[in-house]
Amino acid sequence: QKEVEQDPGPLSVPEGAIVSLNCTYSNSAFQYFMWYRQYSRKGPELLMYTYSSGNKEDGRFTAQVDKSSKYISLFIRDSQPSDSATYLCAMSETGFQKLVFGTGTRLLVSP
Amino acid sequence: SQTIHQWPATLVQPVGSPLSLECTVEGTSNPNLYWYRQAAGRGLQLLFYSVGIGQISSEVPQNLSASRPQDRQFILSSKKLLLSDSGFYLCAWSKGHGGYTFGSGTRLTVV
Repeated sequence: QKEVEQDPGPLSVPEGAIVSLNCTYSNSAFQYFMWYRQYSRKGPELLMYTYSSGNKEDGRFTAQVDKSSKYISLFIRDSQPSDSATYLCAMSETGFQKLVFGTGTRLLVSP
Repeated sequence: SQTIHQWPATLVQPVGSPLSLECTVEGTSNPNLYWYRQAAGRGLQLLFYSVGIGQISSEVPQNLSASRPQDRQFILSSKKLLLSDSGFYLCAWSKGHGGYTFGSGTRLTVV
């Protein structure tokens, strides 16, 4: 079993839809959770960073962490074609430790 | 502000040829540095990481090596490339909390 599981997609939605992206993990010691966005042929860029459980909102993006279920989510409201990219979750036990990445979910938002 | 530079952007090399990819970070000191390889459908694979000059940790046995000759310089090398070394190579840096910042990547094709 992989430490972090992520559906590879692709996930296709129409413009304006609410998108839900998810990861599950097996290591209960993970405390730091991140979401990265990667456009084709580019390096990943950090979107959201959360510590422990709870929600964090930044514009159209909301990150949720449910440590009891070992499940994290990224919600995108009013999705735009420019949101089309691969989204990777990442996590670590401490802020100084190496990150463990999911394999990424490819999102396609059609106009 | 901190920036990370990675070059070249693309590279086509014959089997058996040497490799040298360079990554430099500006605007910070004593960063943790990482080399990742990304293959389609397989996510990010950590190859090497370094917490200081001359300190290199290897995550997987392979045909590659890494060096950190200066605080903000990280080099990925190979003496003889294999076909299986083809992929998208990403350099990243971190400094404690806050996640990783990735470079723009090098797409290596071994022919």
